[in-house]
Amino acid sequence: GAVVSQHPSWVICKSGTSVKIECRSLDFQATTMFWYRQFPKQSLMLMATSNEGSKATYEQGVEKDKFLINHASLTLSTLTVTSAHPEDSSFYICSAMENRDRGRTEAFFGQGTRLTVV
Amino acid sequence: EDQVTQSPEALRLQEGESSSLNCSYTVSGLRGLFWYRQDPGKGPEFLFTLYSAGEEKEKERLKATLTKKESFLHITAPKPEDSATYLCAVQAYNTDKLIFGTGTRLQVFP
Repeated sequence: GAVVSQHPSWVICKSGTSVKIECRSLDFQATTMFWYRQFPKQSLMLMATSNEGSKATYEQGVEKDKFLINHASLTLSTLTVTSAHPEDSSFYICSAMENRDRGRTEAFFGQGTRLTVV
Repeated sequence: EDQVTQSPEALRLQEGESSSLNCSYTVSGLRGLFWYRQDPGKGPEFLFTLYSAGEEKEKERLKATLTKKESFLHITAPKPEDSATYLCAVQAYNTDKLIFGTGTRLQVFP
């Protein structure tokens, strides 16, 4: 399958600072990328859908001013957690969608980023 | 409303004991059904995509099948290294978003 690289794999930051997480599709172009949050022993919670060259679409209840998403190119999307607080500590995962023929798609995930805000 | 239900929630198997995981779904026009494996502290690893009823795909000890209402992930003669959470997701025709089930946590004991 295709490769999606997410960086960093873990980060610790002080409360009030901002943290940027990168997601890159290494061997394919992704017009659509997704950002998820996952709590312990729970499934993935979609935060936003990111489309190259346009504004991200956020899910209900997700603060777009706190979670800034930029999809600057067909291979890179970034998530910036602004003014982070301890309740933002979580496991963040990105996904990149590869378009196949006949309208079919396949979605590949990054390794995830463990964010701890102290 | 599009929905995915996975069962069982947890499954304990002896090494070599074959079994099946279920993914039931309701969706307004299925564009694709996805299976992933997730190990603790890691992102989901892509296993299969199925696009139409009757389709089957295999990879090593895993085989995924699809009907109009559900998908099964069959595990033949599992090994301890197959222990993980298996996630199922569906995608409808009118969206790129994937709707995930809550997963099946599989433990295989030697």
